[in-house]
Amino acid sequence: AQSVTQLGSHVSVSEGALVLLRCNYSSSVPPYLFWYVQYPNQGLQLLLKYTSAATLVKGINGFEAEFKKSETSFHLTKPSAHMSDAAEYFCAVSDLTGNQFYFGTGTSLTVIP
Amino acid sequence: DAGVIQSPRHEVTEMGQEVTLRCKPISGHDYLFWYRQTMMRGLELLIYFNNNVPIDDSGMPEDRFSAKMPNASFSTLKIQPSEPRDSAVYFCASSQGGGNSPLHFGNGTRLTVT
Repeated sequence: AQSVTQLGSHVSVSEGALVLLRCNYSSSVPPYLFWYVQYPNQGLQLLLKYTSAATLVKGINGFEAEFKKSETSFHLTKPSAHMSDAAEYFCAVSDLTGNQFYFGTGTSLTVIP
Repeated sequence: DAGVIQSPRHEVTEMGQEVTLRCKPISGHDYLFWYRQTMMRGLELLIYFNNNVPIDDSGMPEDRFSAKMPNASFSTLKIQPSEPRDSAVYFCASSQGGGNSPLHFGNGTRLTVT
């Protein structure tokens, strides 16, 4: 079975600073990878997805992620944090059928004014 | 597109009572998933359907839990009888299927069993 590891359950950054949220996956074949964001009292919302078309993926709200096969990583970044970015972020991987999604344990992002 | 619609948003019930959660997936999505989210266990897949047929219910915790999908636009998750440990946020999600199709989540039902 595939798995996803998110390093750091809590990350704090200052407003305007770089955001880096880490995600590593275990897969014997290049998977489909996703980042989701969850705001309080809401469901998970898709930020971006990697589907092998390009290693650098741009998503909504200025976020992007880079697929690095050699490192089995798919870290999420944003050059400048905004207060509205404070939320829970989940990395996920799906199998080729799309029937199974494996979620990380989430990273809570706090933005300090 | 209205997205995945779940009802109710909040449910408070007493132990032993029956609880029914409802979900309307996005039109055209062939896959429907039920997840449970708690602080202790994170996101757990309970069951998923393909074309209204339950495919994998191995995540359903006990016989007290049951899920149905009578048609392509409606699914229910029932807990009978409910217990305090069932308190969680329950999410419904749908997708078009295929590995590159993301899940689209509803806003969840927050269940509190006292």
